[in-house]
Amino acid sequence: GAVVSQHPSRVICKSGTSVKIECRSLDFQATTMFWYRQFPKKSLMLMATSNEGSKATYEQGVEKDKFLINHASLTLSTLTVTSAHPEDSSFYICSASTGRQETQYFGPGTRLLVL
Amino acid sequence: DAKTTQPPSMDCAEGRAANLPCNHSTISGNEYVYWYRQIHSQGPQYIIHGLKNNETNEMASLIITEDRKSSTLILPHATLRDTAVYYCIVKAGGYQKVTFGTGTKLQVIP
Repeated sequence: GAVVSQHPSRVICKSGTSVKIECRSLDFQATTMFWYRQFPKKSLMLMATSNEGSKATYEQGVEKDKFLINHASLTLSTLTVTSAHPEDSSFYICSASTGRQETQYFGPGTRLLVL
Repeated sequence: DAKTTQPPSMDCAEGRAANLPCNHSTISGNEYVYWYRQIHSQGPQYIIHGLKNNETNEMASLIITEDRKSSTLILPHATLRDTAVYYCIVKAGGYQKVTFGTGTKLQVIP
C-alpha cells in the first residue's frame, strides 16, 4: 500500500529556533500533500494544503510566515516552524494523496517539543 | 465537506464484531465515505472507503445505507490492537482536504 514517512519522529528544540519537518511519499507521487496539527486529546486540525511547484494554501488562522511549507518535488514536502515557541509544541502529521480516488495516506507524525 | 456525527466512545469485547455507526445526513452525491483510525501517538491509518455500495477489505466492512445518510464500519473480530479512535469522514473525489471530527474512541476489552 501507499506509504508516507516523516522525519524526524520527534524533536526537542529551544524557544526561538526553527525546526524543519520532512514528509515523503515513498512509493507514489503526490501532487498534493496536507499538513495537520494535533494537540493532546484533540482531533487533527488541517493547517495547510501543499501543492507541488506552487504556494501552499493555508487554513484560516494559520500564520503562513511562521509555518513555511515547501513542496519541491512530487515526493517531498517540508514544514518549517520558524522561531518556535512553547505553544507550538504539538504533534504534526502530514498526508499525501494517491492518484486512485485520491485517498489520503498519513505519515506517522512528528512530535515537537519547544522548551 | 459534509459533517459527520459519531458516538464519542464504544466498548467491544475481544473477538466480537465491532459496529461503529456514523451519520452523514447532508452528504452530497459526489462525496465518498472514508474511515480512518488513529492509534495512540500515531498518524491516522486508512481503513476503507465507499460511495454507494457496501465494501469489504482485509481490515473491515463498510455498510452504507441506501439513502447514503449513514454508514457502519464493521470490524468482524475485534482484537486489543483495534483499540483506537475511529474517524468517519465524507469527502468529494479529487485532491480535496479532509476535515476530521471528534471520532469514536473504541475500547476493545479482553
